[in-house]
Amino acid sequence: RKEVEQDPGPFNVPEGATVAFNCTYSNSASQSFFWYRQDCRKEPKLLMSVYSSGNEDGRFTAQLNRASQYISLLIRDSKLSDSATYLCVVNDASGTYKYIFGTGTRLKVLA
Amino acid sequence: NAGVTQTPKFQVLKTGQSMTLQCAQDMNHNSMYWYRQDPGMGLRLIYYSASEGTTDKGEVPNGYNVSRLNKREFSLRLESAAPSQTSVYFCASSEQSYSNQPQHFGDGTRLSIL
Repeated sequence: RKEVEQDPGPFNVPEGATVAFNCTYSNSASQSFFWYRQDCRKEPKLLMSVYSSGNEDGRFTAQLNRASQYISLLIRDSKLSDSATYLCVVNDASGTYKYIFGTGTRLKVLA
Repeated sequence: NAGVTQTPKFQVLKTGQSMTLQCAQDMNHNSMYWYRQDPGMGLRLIYYSASEGTTDKGEVPNGYNVSRLNKREFSLRLESAAPSQTSVYFCASSEQSYSNQPQHFGDGTRLSIL
């Protein structure tokens, strides 16, 4: 089993739709979780950190389910500009300074 | 508002040539990282430096060396480039504290080895 797994997609959704992605992680000791956005051939950019109680930033909501070891990202009222690849990132829980990246979920928002 | 700066942005090398990729950050971060990204593979860690004066191997270190020149700068060297090292290379930095702070990325170096 991969340490961090994501459905690669693509998720094709119409403008205005709500879409959700999940990401599962294998190490129950992981403590830090992040969602990044990556546009084609560009650098990953931090979208939001994921907190234990869940958190929201505008149209984006992130949640953590420790019991089932997954994090989720919900995007409401999708915009064309939301089209990108969304990367799930989890800290390496073995006491190092490393991060473990999922391979990403590709989202296409259609006009 | 520079953040993480990588140079060069593009480079074409011939097999066997050497080169150094430069990375500098102005956020006073302790930890710095080098990744490569290939189609369908996601980001793979080459080397990282948890703090000034330390470096450690990541997932794919073979064929690379690194130098943490000072707190700001972390360079990646290819001693004898091979076509398999054709990739997009990203440098990142973060505050310390056992990776509970997010990473910030440079805009990448696109490297082709012929």
